[in-house]
Amino acid sequence: DAKTTQPPSMDCAEGRAANLPCNHSTISGNEYVYWYRQIHSQGPQYIIHGLKNNETNEMASLIITEDRKSSTLILPHATLRDTAVYYCIVTDYSTSYGKLTFGQGTILTVHP
Amino acid sequence: KAGVTQTPRYLIKTRGQQVTLSCSPISGHRSVSWYQQTPGQGLQFLFEYFSETQRNKGNFPGRFSGRQFSNSRSEMNVSTLELGDSALYLCASSSGTGSFKNIQYFGAGTRLSVL
Repeated sequence: DAKTTQPPSMDCAEGRAANLPCNHSTISGNEYVYWYRQIHSQGPQYIIHGLKNNETNEMASLIITEDRKSSTLILPHATLRDTAVYYCIVTDYSTSYGKLTFGQGTILTVHP
Repeated sequence: KAGVTQTPRYLIKTRGQQVTLSCSPISGHRSVSWYQQTPGQGLQFLFEYFSETQRNKGNFPGRFSGRQFSNSRSEMNVSTLELGDSALYLCASSSGTGSFKNIQYFGAGTRLSVL
């Protein structure tokens, strides 16, 4: 799996957009980008994933650069409940078979 | 639809004992993955089972083992417990097939304390 690099922490004001960056410069053609988050003492929660096109769902948007070497997770209107550790994971299912490699992630703190 | 259920939620054991943790996946999911989370090492992959077969294994000693039953429920076992095995053990299920085959849904975890 390609290695990912994320900032250790970020702050965001409630109601504003939270933009969480992730670098994955060694990503290969078959690898997808996944985002999960973990709220304190809970199991990680799937947010969104993508291959090369931008994706949006009810939780967030995922912007992947054209060269696929980096991506940004966007929470459009952050709330206090979005305070969590956010993990960017790059993996190819055909070789990883159920293995997600979690890094240290980004601790996002949403302030009132 | 019920989520991933892990039992028990909390467990206290002493060194040298063994422990079995249980995981019931989301109905219809055939893949179950197990992870260990500690403050020092973060989230680490233990193993994955699909249709009762172990397909992938992380870098853990042989004291850590698992199995999956025909109804996709899974158990993991840790023998000869060590203090360093104290951790949150997380189970995740996924369909294992189709375009969303690798989206994993996690349970709340079992917190194991080894004294």
